Amino acid sequence: EAGVAQSPRYKIIEKRQSVAFWCNPISGHATLYWYQQILGQGPKLLIQFQNNGVVDDSQLPKDRFSAERLKGVDSTLKIQPAKLEDSAVYLCASSLVSLELYNSPLHFGNGTRLTVT
Amino acid sequence: DAKTTQPNSMESNEEEPVHLPCNHSTISGTDYIHWYRQLPSQGPEYVIHGLTSNVNNRMASLAIAEDRKSSTLILHRATLRDAAVYYCILGYNAGNMLTFGGGTRLMVKP
Repeated sequence: EAGVAQSPRYKIIEKRQSVAFWCNPISGHATLYWYQQILGQGPKLLIQFQNNGVVDDSQLPKDRFSAERLKGVDSTLKIQPAKLEDSAVYLCASSLVSLELYNSPLHFGNGTRLTVT
Repeated sequence: DAKTTQPNSMESNEEEPVHLPCNHSTISGTDYIHWYRQLPSQGPEYVIHGLTSNVNNRMASLAIAEDRKSSTLILHRATLRDAAVYYCILGYNAGNMLTFGGGTRLMVKP
């Protein structure tokens, strides 16, 4: 089974510029997540989608971050404008929908490493 | 949110068993205990999860205390490829959302 695909692998931008990350989840996985991982810390959930609907975006800085999952498959995460503190690895994960949701493991991509200068 | 506490780092010798502890004294009755690990430059990888009973799979074993306030991930024979950050996370009722803490960095010596 193909894993979660993310692109680009690396991105360097200047502050106040815009950037977008792309994620293609595992085929058939209805739930998709975006996480932010700052160096030396554990991943922090930004947003969760169920198909193309948002389940939770309470930790997404909505003044500068946006995400969409059109057609319930691929997803993009955008930052506009970027700040220095946005430097991090952005991880996408997906999981199956099951009756016991917390039994379904997350499958992560290898992330996009963003450096804001 | 129920939190977990893990040592920042641990060392092990290759081919010896490793016991990675996790404390979760505020765990709720329906929280599952999940373990993920993250190898360098990769996304986290699922290892194992459990609710009350001990669990085994091809990667590891999970021992859960009777009061569920702590658990231990057991790697039966550590290899150099097991060097990673190991996260102990509680799964919430509302779905698959997992909040990761700082994890334990496991170093394996040859």
